[in-house]
Amino acid sequence: KNEVEQSPQNLTAQEGEFITINCSYSVGISALHWLQQHPGGGIVSLFMLSSGKKKHGRLIATINIQEKHSSLHITASHPRDSAVYICGGGTGNQFYFGTGTSLTVIP
Amino acid sequence: KAGVTQTPRYLIKTRGQQVTLSCSPISGHRSVSWYQQTPGQGLQFLFEYFSETQRNKGNFPGRFSGRQFSNSRSEMNVSTLELGDSALYLCASSSDPQGVNTEAFFGQGTRLTVV
Repeated sequence: KNEVEQSPQNLTAQEGEFITINCSYSVGISALHWLQQHPGGGIVSLFMLSSGKKKHGRLIATINIQEKHSSLHITASHPRDSAVYICGGGTGNQFYFGTGTSLTVIP
Repeated sequence: KAGVTQTPRYLIKTRGQQVTLSCSPISGHRSVSWYQQTPGQGLQFLFEYFSETQRNKGNFPGRFSGRQFSNSRSEMNVSTLELGDSALYLCASSSDPQGVNTEAFFGQGTRLTVV
């Protein structure tokens, strides 16, 4: 079993839909990161959060430390949101990441 | 401010050879971490350097090694390459000495193909 699990693995949505990607972890991650990876490999850090909720534009990330669960929401999805979304973080001396959720937004 | 720069972007090597990848962090960042990304395993942590010292290490064999220079630039080396080492190798830099609790900035990666 992986230390960080994401669901779903693949997601296809129509433009404008509200999207949720879930992340559950079994290790003591102190700060959870959400990353976005576009085709070609480049990774962009979207959020780093250790409690509550953060919002950036149409993206919202929430975390429940007690339940070891985080969600990434995308409102009014757009084809440019198509990418792989990865969650994970460090426990002190190790970093763990999920295998990613591949999102495709269709116009 | 320049981002994280990784060189080369693409590399093809033969089994048994060794390879060195380079990462230049954002100016002022002293923490550099390395990751291997494969389709089946996702993003896996290799090691992290801070101020020229390896601070954390993932579960990879000793063929994978790295170092960091006084200007914070980092290199990773893989010796005796195996086909399974084919992957995208990413480095990330951050400013905070605590490492895990700081936003990381990733480079574009080096895609290594072992034939």
